[in-house]
Amino acid sequence: DAGVIQSPRHEVTEMGQEVTLRCKPISGHNSLFWYRQTMMRGLELLIYFNNNVPIDDSGMPEDRFSAKMPNASFSTLKIQPSEPRDSAVYFCASRALAGTNTEAFFGQGTRLTVV
Amino acid sequence: GDSVTQMEGPVTLSEEAFLTINCTYTATGYPSLFWYVQYPGEGLQLLLKATKADDKGSNKGFEATYRKETTSFHLEKGSVQVSDSAVYFCALTDEGAGSYQLTFGKGTKLSVIP
Repeated sequence: DAGVIQSPRHEVTEMGQEVTLRCKPISGHNSLFWYRQTMMRGLELLIYFNNNVPIDDSGMPEDRFSAKMPNASFSTLKIQPSEPRDSAVYFCASRALAGTNTEAFFGQGTRLTVV
Repeated sequence: GDSVTQMEGPVTLSEEAFLTINCTYTATGYPSLFWYVQYPGEGLQLLLKATKADDKGSNKGFEATYRKETTSFHLEKGSVQVSDSAVYFCALTDEGAGSYQLTFGKGTKLSVIP
């Protein structure tokens, strides 16, 4: 299995532009998480999905952030408009069989720089 | 809500030294506990886990024991190597309490010097 695949690995964009981060979870996993990591705040959960349905989006910082999971094999995190304070590494993670306390598998992350 | 507290770093050790990274948790249910490791420029990867009280998780010479009475899951290694330099995260999931998310500590950066 290729693991959780995120794209792009690096993104540099100008303030005000729209940014879309992509994630392909491990096949068969039915829980998907988006995290943001910064030096100041550490690892923050933004949103998670079970069976493609958003369960908790209380970590999404503001309306500029949105996430979708149109099917079991794809999710996007969109920032519109982007701001310099959004610069961070964004991780996607997936888990199998929600309800059995299984571990999550992380992608390599997308390093976002907003200038 | 659930939370994880782990010792603040950074921690710097000489090669072959003994490592302990403390982790305590609060949870409303009966959580499973995890240690993840993040090497520079990479995502988090599972190091070890324990799903019930008194279980010991182990991997690559690292160990941690699920202590329900002290709500702790301390990470230990008898002899660290330079290649162990990374950030270590303690985490829990508490699905028995209806929470499906993974809750992470803030991470502890370990540097091992030759």
